[in-house]
Amino acid sequence: TQLLEQSPQFLSIQEGENLTVYCNSSSVFSSLQWYRQEPGEGPVLLVTVVTGGEVKKLKRLTFQFGDARKDSSLHITAAQPGDTGLYLCAGEGSSNYKLTFGKGTLLTVNP
Amino acid sequence: GAVVSQHPSRVICKSGTSVKIECRSLDFQATTMFWYRQFPKQSLMLMATSNEGSKATYEQGVEKDKFLINHASLTLSTLTVTSAHPEDSSFYICSASHRLSLSQDTQYFGPGTRLTVL
Repeated sequence: TQLLEQSPQFLSIQEGENLTVYCNSSSVFSSLQWYRQEPGEGPVLLVTVVTGGEVKKLKRLTFQFGDARKDSSLHITAAQPGDTGLYLCAGEGSSNYKLTFGKGTLLTVNP
Repeated sequence: GAVVSQHPSRVICKSGTSVKIECRSLDFQATTMFWYRQFPKQSLMLMATSNEGSKATYEQGVEKDKFLINHASLTLSTLTVTSAHPEDSSFYICSASHRLSLSQDTQYFGPGTRLTVL
């Protein structure tokens, strides 16, 4: 069974601060996806990383996939209240299309 | 593109009744759809994998006779919660797998269905 450890589980910061969310596993994933979910809605895909060492940027969000494709990080620069939400990482196994989800990081950005 | 819809968005039912939830991929064909369950402030738990034209594959601990899944076409999968009980109250989310390239499949999620069983 593939497991993804996501940390921190809860994060409350002030507007303008930077933060990093981590996803770690002992398993190799063929790809890793980051989602953001707001209360009462489904997760919305932010990015998919596929290649070991890959870095992708989405405005103030920077995503990195570890060289060994076992871990990933999400860094947010100058967080804004609109960034508040549940951030989920999910790894896709190499033998099937199932996603293994981390437990999520509930981010609150206070104005 | 890659929009997935769910219907209904909210449903309240009495204990013992059955509830059907629909999941549709609106602008792409999805040979594989997934059904998840999510409790408040928790992550998504995969319930089953639904393949068009074949029986669904259920995760360990999920009762297939209670959660009936039908994937009749490449754009529609349904989840029926039979004889619902209050403990079945949850947020049910589907996703549809969209093949972006030979080596990459991406799951796009529906907006979820909030089920409340009284």
